[in-house]
Amino acid sequence: AQSVTQLGSHVSVSEGALVLLRCNYSSSVPPYLFWYVQYPNQGLQLLLKYTTGATLVKGINGFEAEFKKSETSFHLTKPSAHMSDAAEYFCAVILYTGTASKLTFGTGTRLQVTL
Amino acid sequence: DTGVSQNPRHKITKRGQNVTFRCDPISEHNRLYWYRQTLGQGPEFLTYFQNEAQLEKSRLLSDRFSAERPKGSFSTLEIQRTEQGDSAMYLCASSSPPLAGGLADTQYFGPGTRLTVL
Repeated sequence: AQSVTQLGSHVSVSEGALVLLRCNYSSSVPPYLFWYVQYPNQGLQLLLKYTTGATLVKGINGFEAEFKKSETSFHLTKPSAHMSDAAEYFCAVILYTGTASKLTFGTGTRLQVTL
Repeated sequence: DTGVSQNPRHKITKRGQNVTFRCDPISEHNRLYWYRQTLGQGPEFLTYFQNEAQLEKSRLLSDRFSAERPKGSFSTLEIQRTEQGDSAMYLCASSSPPLAGGLADTQYFGPGTRLTVL
């Protein structure tokens, strides 16, 4: 079985500060990992994904994440937070059943950015 | 590319009524997924279509729920005899098959339909 754990349901940072959102996964097979962002009353937007290859993945809006197999982690970072980054962030892992590539999501981390 | 669209965006209904939601995927995508998201939780998988065939259903999808994708393009999700526990955001996502050698597709989500059952 696969699962995703996001540490910290709420994270608050000052504008210009480093953003670090934590994600740990458990998977019996090499994982495919994703970060999505959700703005209020909207759907999910793909930030970045890791499938194979380079373990440091760059996404949109200046975000990046590093896949660390030894730590079973896929933490999301951004060097300098902007007010527009305030949203809910979801880490997800693919559960591939041979037909569907079902996403299994964490419970989300709400990012607050203060002046 | 207009992205995935969903209608309606919001639906308020009384318990016991039937509701139907529509999803229009990205035009060249043959895979379509439905997820449900309750407050404070991440989305949970409901069902999956490849073209017009419904290939997988979650145990979350009770017999009051039915989904169709009649021509392999848009999809509908119907909930019969709604209950207050059905109140949630219903999300649709679409994708195309992964590139050669890959196992996982990348899913693109619509804005969702928020259902409130009174």
